[in-house]
Amino acid sequence: DVKVTQSSRYLVKRTGEKVFLECVQDMDHENMFWYRQDPGLGLRLIYFSYDVKMKEKGDIPEGYSVSREKKERFSLILESASTNQTSMYLCASSGSEIYGYTFGSGTRLTVV
Amino acid sequence: KNEVEQSPQNLTAQEGEFITINCSYSVGISALHWLQQHPGGGIVSLFMLSSGKKKHGRLIATINIQEKHSSLHITASHPRDSAVYICAVVGNTPLVFGKGTRLSVIA
Repeated sequence: DVKVTQSSRYLVKRTGEKVFLECVQDMDHENMFWYRQDPGLGLRLIYFSYDVKMKEKGDIPEGYSVSREKKERFSLILESASTNQTSMYLCASSGSEIYGYTFGSGTRLTVV
Repeated sequence: KNEVEQSPQNLTAQEGEFITINCSYSVGISALHWLQQHPGGGIVSLFMLSSGKKKHGRLIATINIQEKHSSLHITASHPRDSAVYICAVVGNTPLVFGKGTRLSVIA
């Protein structure tokens, strides 16, 4: 029973391409998050959203944007992909800050 | 300085050993999560706790709010426990993560 779905497990894109990473949750959660995970750095927050059409910058928003047109979908956009954006990207959702988070399976993006 | 520190970074154990992973944090929190990440990337929530102790099978999590410290224990470890274990805290901001502890259990 998959609850947070990320559209791709592996993705290879060229430098300069516009890249869309999609995340869909079926738990009616208000809160959705995008993280990237790099060796030695752990998970770092890129953007998050507490409601439809709302977005907040996380710790490392540079080079990224997001879109939340519907409650269940939170998209991460790389406007012009660069090699330093090669990483594992994880989406998560939560009904409340103090309750459990549910993570997607991750998208391993390689920019060449 | 990282707000959430985990130790050790890497841990190798023999099957059957008792394992402890530690997490210390420097901010005020309302809850702490222990997460497990297997090779391939998916993250699973093991525990969410705000006080005391929780147990699930061979896993035990404890937290001491006054000392700002939590531990994750694995009893009778097994090779299938091999994974990265991540501590994350909930404060005034979205979840803040530790860098994880990579556990390898050898048969």
